[in-house]
Amino acid sequence: AQTVTQSQPEMSVQEAETVTLSCTYDTSESNYYLFWYKQPPSRQMILVIRQEAYKQQNATENRFSVNFQKAAKSFSLKISDSQLGDTAMYFCAFMKFQGAQKLVFGQGTRLTINP
Amino acid sequence: GAGVSQSPSNKVTEKGKDVELRCDPISGHTALYWYRQSLGQGLEFLIYFQGNSAPDKSGLPSDRFSAERTGGSVSTLTIQRTQQEDSAVYLCASSLERLYPQHFGDGTRLSIL
Repeated sequence: AQTVTQSQPEMSVQEAETVTLSCTYDTSESNYYLFWYKQPPSRQMILVIRQEAYKQQNATENRFSVNFQKAAKSFSLKISDSQLGDTAMYFCAFMKFQGAQKLVFGQGTRLTINP
Repeated sequence: GAGVSQSPSNKVTEKGKDVELRCDPISGHTALYWYRQSLGQGLEFLIYFQGNSAPDKSGLPSDRFSAERTGGSVSTLTIQRTQQEDSAVYLCASSLERLYPQHFGDGTRLSIL
């Protein structure tokens, strides 16, 4: 079975700073996807970024980028120039390429951006 | 275009009652998923529908839980004889096809008294 671990329950930074959220996972699969989802107080889970394990290049979406270390099974999210609207719960998630199409989530990191 | 729609937004019911939660996926999405989010257990997969294939029910926690998807579109998650531990936010997601990103609704917050 796959497991996803987020070791930082809470983080807090000042607006405009850069922050990195950590995620590690455990799997015996060779092909899979990794995701970061954001959940603001509205409850809706919003996809932030997706990484395909067979791609060596780290995914980037505007201010959001990942550091994907496949051998270390590490998948961290970097938010540059943080904004007040980035305040939310952030979940790291894993999905196998073959078989069950379910997302396996970490416990989440509550990120607060302070003015 | 509309996103994933879930109803009701909030549901309060007494222990032992049956409840039905509804999910309208994004039009044209062939895959539909139910997850449960609770304080103690985090986010858990419940069930997955893909087209006309048999659903993956591996995440359903007990036989009190069931789900159906009619006409390849709307899905209903039913919980029979509700227990207090069923209190959670139930999230629905859909994706265009398997392996495509999942888009989530706002969830239904279920409270069992």
